[in-house]
Amino acid sequence: DSGVTQTPKHLITATGQRVTLRCSPRSGDLSVYWYQQSLDQGLQFLIQYYNGEERAKGNILERFSAQQFPDLHSELNLSSLELGDSALYFCASSPGVSTNEKLFFGSGTQLSVL
Amino acid sequence: GENVEQHPSTLSVQEGDSAVIKCTYSDSASNYFPWYKQELGKGPQLIIDIRSNVGEKKDQRIAVTLNKTAKHFSLHITETQPEDSAVYFCAASKGGSQGNLIFGKGTKLSVKP
Repeated sequence: DSGVTQTPKHLITATGQRVTLRCSPRSGDLSVYWYQQSLDQGLQFLIQYYNGEERAKGNILERFSAQQFPDLHSELNLSSLELGDSALYFCASSPGVSTNEKLFFGSGTQLSVL
Repeated sequence: GENVEQHPSTLSVQEGDSAVIKCTYSDSASNYFPWYKQELGKGPQLIIDIRSNVGEKKDQRIAVTLNKTAKHFSLHITETQPEDSAVYFCAASKGGSQGNLIFGKGTKLSVKP
């Protein structure tokens, strides 16, 4: 068990809808990362938050947004969903702001857009 | 930006044999190279990492080598066991507060008993 909790584990929705994925980092970790995993693209970095502030952005679509709350949990919001958004979404956490340290991954949220 | 290429995409070995997975990176400023193992239904888990000031690192049956000049690094697993079967990802980062951890596309390793 990595200590990172992601909910829900599975999500099935329709095109055009909006969903929210939730992540609780390990106790004491200040950074939260979101990754998208698909068969053809591998693990794609979306965004990083550190202590409530956005620190780095990757290949995140404008339809997607995220935030980190004062209690350090994070939410990834996906809107106007398309079939191609179907993927496994991972959250990871680490103690500090640098990416040169071990990331602890949750078990992921499997999103299916029908 | 950084690009990490990983080969092979699939690898099948007999139990007890060695397995080697290779990665190349494009950004010469990258200085941190972790390897993650992902088992079915789970998130990736760090198994070993190496920093740019080191050429090789070992941890029991797992070793990683880094060639900064050629910008490539490799994962070596010796005496493979069925429980080594998983997807392995290499990654690269230049650290700091704005460096992203960029992953390769993964290698599915199958160890046949």
